[in-house]
Amino acid sequence: NAGVTQTPKFQVLKTGQSMTLQCAQDMNHNSMYWYRQDPGMGLRLIYYSASEGTTDKGEVPNGYNVSRLNKREFSLRLESAAPSQTSVYFCASTWGRTEAFFGQGTRLTVV
Amino acid sequence: AQSVTQLDSHVSVSEGTPVLLRCNYSSSYSPSLFWYVQHPNKGLQLLLKYTSAATLVKGINGFEAEFKKSETSFHLTKPSAHMSDAAEYFCVVSEQDYGGSQGNLIFGKGTKLSVKP
Repeated sequence: NAGVTQTPKFQVLKTGQSMTLQCAQDMNHNSMYWYRQDPGMGLRLIYYSASEGTTDKGEVPNGYNVSRLNKREFSLRLESAAPSQTSVYFCASTWGRTEAFFGQGTRLTVV
Repeated sequence: AQSVTQLDSHVSVSEGTPVLLRCNYSSSYSPSLFWYVQHPNKGLQLLLKYTSAATLVKGINGFEAEFKKSETSFHLTKPSAHMSDAAEYFCVVSEQDYGGSQGNLIFGKGTKLSVKP
């Protein structure tokens, strides 16, 4: 099983550019999440989707939008990238109260 | 509202000595609790989980954690540290609301474990 697949693995953007991070899971999980990881801050929740067709803001949603395209896919969009969005981004999925399965991460640098 | 506090940002131990990484949580409902490990420039790996079964939970690589509701704690321990245990460790709480829907996952800020030879 592929589990959770994130693309791309690395990206460099110029300030003001836009991009979409893609995430797909093949485990039939209902819930999906986007986190960002910054040194000393742990993983902070950007958005999550408890089920297909629903999304909710997490701790740090400003500057991001999400789309739960179907049960498998949950994308994260940066409309106008800023240097403060330089981070490592992780997608995750869960079913019920089980543990989260994570993608391998996207290292994004905004210059 | 749920929250997680990892009481130490950095812990340093000698190889062969015990490891204790502390985690306190706050949750309105019945929580699930997890410990994840992240080695440098790697993804997150599940060490162990508590989901309302046995309060003493055993995980991989000799780690275990005890859920103490009265103390709202879920500390991670290992009897004898190995050099390969050097990594960052995250305590995570997941809360299921009254309606039974999956809540979000909240991470602690992490504890970096150093292991000296």
